[in-house]
Order: sequence, then structure tokens, then C-alpha cells
Amino acid sequence: QKEVEQNSGPLSVPEGAIASLNCTYSDRGSQSFFWYRQYSGKSPELIMFIYSNGDKEDGRFTAQLNKASQYVSLLIRDSQPSDSATYLCAVGDAGNMLTFGGGTRLMVKP
Amino acid sequence: DGGITQSPKYLFRKEGQNVTLSCEQNLNHDAMYWYRQDPGQGLRLIYYSQIVNDFQKGDIAEGYSVSREKKESFPLTVTSAQKNPTAFYLCASSAGPGNTIYFGEGSWLTVV
Repeated sequence: QKEVEQNSGPLSVPEGAIASLNCTYSDRGSQSFFWYRQYSGKSPELIMFIYSNGDKEDGRFTAQLNKASQYVSLLIRDSQPSDSATYLCAVGDAGNMLTFGGGTRLMVKP
Repeated sequence: DGGITQSPKYLFRKEGQNVTLSCEQNLNHDAMYWYRQDPGQGLRLIYYSQIVNDFQKGDIAEGYSVSREKKESFPLTVTSAQKNPTAFYLCASSAGPGNTIYFGEGSWLTVV
């Protein structure tokens, strides 16, 4: 059984701080890694994806992947109250089947 | 606009009743998926289809059925055999293996 683990939170950070969201996965054969943001009552929306070890930056967001440690993270710089949401980590196998973590709830306080 | 359309957004089901959730996409994606999300939980895969006229069971297929007669459409039927169907249902699609999965806006199903 493939597993993706996230701390459910809530993770509380002050406005302007860096939020660090973490995810571990069990399947060493995993090939693709995604972060989705989900506001309460809404569907998930893609923030970033990463396929290779290292960092990938997109605006205020940085995804970090370490396949040896089976660990993927998302950093949000200059956090805003509008970033308050649940962040879902998803890990894909060779057939693009995604396994989702339970999500981390982020609260950014003004 | 290109996207994934789910309907209805809200649906109420009586005990013993079958209901069907619609999912249509105009993204020309080959693969389509149905997920279930319970409050405070992650997404669990119900069924998926990689090509027309073919579909596979996901992790929680019992009590559900699907069809894929057209590339654009992947309806989900929640049967009376599904004993705890109250949840948020999400349809998704992708261009295929290695491509990003995009979601529709979801359908809320409640048993009354």
C-alpha cells in the first residue's frame, strides 16, 4: 500500500513569514510530485510539480525534493492571509496514478 | 473556456437510491478520474479511465460504477450498495501518464 504522510496541522505562521510544509512517501519508485492548494469547500488547485531532486521555484513558492530521503516539501515565502488553506501533497507512480496525503492546514495570521 | 464541468454541485440521495454524478471535460484529455474526499481527509481514488471504453477500479470502488463511452465524459453512479456515500466527489483529468491532473469543482452528495 503506497502511503503519503503529512502533518495535519494546523500550521500557524504570521503574515510575511515563511511557511514550510512537509510530506513523506513510502514508494521509492515514485516519479512525480505535486502540491495542491484547497480552500474550504472547493476543489484542489495545482500550485507546483517537481520531478527531479533539488529545488524548484515559482514566485513565492519553492518545492524541494529529496528522493533518497523520500521527502518533498513546499516553502511559501512572504505568507499572506490568502494563503490560508489546506495543502495536499500528491505522489505519482509511473502510470501517473496519484496517491494523496491527508493535507496540512495552513493558517496565516495578519 | 476549457475545463472540467461537474454536475450537480449539490445532490441529496435517499436510502436505497442510485444517483449519477456527471463529469465532462473539453481539454481533450485521455485520462479521467473520480476521487472521494471525506471531511478533513485526503482524496481517495474510486475509478479511473486511461482511454475510451476502458476503466479500472481504484482503492474504494465498491458501491460505485462508471462508464467511458466518450472521451469527454466519465459519469459516476453511486449505487445503493455504497453504505456511506455522503462525501465530496471530485472528477479529474490529465493528458496521460506524467502529466498534471486537473480537477473539476466537485459535487457534494448527502444522504437524507
